[in-house]
Amino acid sequence: ETGVTQTPRHLVMGMTNKKSLKCEQHLGHNAMYWYKQSAKKPLELMFVYNFKEQTENNSVPSRFSPECPNSSHLFLHLHTLQPEDSALYLCASSQDGGTAGANVLTFGAGSRLTVL
Amino acid sequence: AQKVTQAQTEISVVEKEDVTLDCVYETRDTTYYLFWYKQPPSGELVFLIRRNSFDEQNEISGRYSWNFQKSTSSFNFTITASQVVDSAVYFCALSEWYNQGGKLIFGQGTELSVKP
Repeated sequence: ETGVTQTPRHLVMGMTNKKSLKCEQHLGHNAMYWYKQSAKKPLELMFVYNFKEQTENNSVPSRFSPECPNSSHLFLHLHTLQPEDSALYLCASSQDGGTAGANVLTFGAGSRLTVL
Repeated sequence: AQKVTQAQTEISVVEKEDVTLDCVYETRDTTYYLFWYKQPPSGELVFLIRRNSFDEQNEISGRYSWNFQKSTSSFNFTITASQVVDSAVYFCALSEWYNQGGKLIFGQGTELSVKP
């Protein structure tokens, strides 16, 4: 496996279900991100983890719960979602070189979530 | 506030035509980074280029070229002699220099369709 791997690629869930999205990076990076891509909207940053510590929570509703057990793995736990949460959820990683603004992100292919 | 505008939602060209994707940004920062990413149908965003706000030199990489003009806050991307494989959604993004969260502000993307 190389790069950033996301599973599952497609997920359909009801509003009362609990599910999780998984992301794994094989690049030795120390920062990981969740982005949300909705139709006709710019990508929105949801969460950032640096060295397993959450450094950014972009006012995301509590029904989305991230978990970063180590620098290579990132999860997004989903609970009681709404239909408007249907989107492509992209995971990314980067090597934070000090000037974080310069970070080049490597993205996974995304998990397409549909909430019924 | 930071903002990136890609006014062209969709562009369709015939193979071998040249095409320019526009990007206009807003920021109060004097130091920042600009990026272009490509999102093919497979879903993952692929990094194309990063420029810092001090470097206004145009850059060429094969059939790709970028024109950064600070005076007009624009960072346009030109593909010369387009090919079918260039069909994708292209995103322009802005990042603060000392961005602690690796936070990219994305434009809404331009969907490029190159027809044979």
